[in-house]
Amino acid sequence: AQRVTQPEKLLSVFKGAPVELKCNYSYSGSPELFWYVQYSRQRLQLLLRHISRESIKGFTADLNKGETSFHLKKPFAQEEDSAMYYCALTDTGFQKLVFGTGTRLLVSP
Amino acid sequence: ETGVTQSPTHLIKTRGQQVTLRCSSQSGHNTVSWYQQALGQGPQFIFQYYREEENGRGNFPPRFSGLQFPNYSSELNVNALELDDSALYLCASSSLADLTYNEQFFGPGTRLTVL
Repeated sequence: AQRVTQPEKLLSVFKGAPVELKCNYSYSGSPELFWYVQYSRQRLQLLLRHISRESIKGFTADLNKGETSFHLKKPFAQEEDSAMYYCALTDTGFQKLVFGTGTRLLVSP
Repeated sequence: ETGVTQSPTHLIKTRGQQVTLRCSSQSGHNTVSWYQQALGQGPQFIFQYYREEENGRGNFPPRFSGLQFPNYSSELNVNALELDDSALYLCASSSLADLTYNEQFFGPGTRLTVL
């Protein structure tokens, strides 16, 4: 069964500290992995996807197929990074997204 | 370019009633997906509509049904409402042109409360 696990409900860091939001998945095949973000009073939006290998707002995520992980990282957190982050996967050809339960990132000054 | 819109914003119903939620897809998109987000959970896939046909369904009972119209807008209908149906219902639109993933753009959601 497809499953996405985000073990931390809340991650609280100080501004300038490194951030790592954990995501593990189970899927029999080759999924596409994503990170979605929801800022306060805004709608859910795509932050990054693994195949693009981009760095968005300083965030990167590396797909580790051996560990079935797709952790989201940023070397220096900013206050504006405070938001709800969801890891998700989909199988190509069918656009269903399977989401984790989300991690709330709180960056304090 | 107009983004995804949903109506109504909030809705309160009683157990056993029926509800219809509406979604207008983003300009140029032909696919609409619906998700249920219970409190403290991530969104769960309900179903997807492509060219007015259901194109995949999640683990939801038949009392959850949908429609897509020629202009690609969509409705989600839920019959015989149960207390556990209380959730945020999200609509997402995308362009299903080939077998590659195309970004889904989410609407603001409809908050349904069942009493």
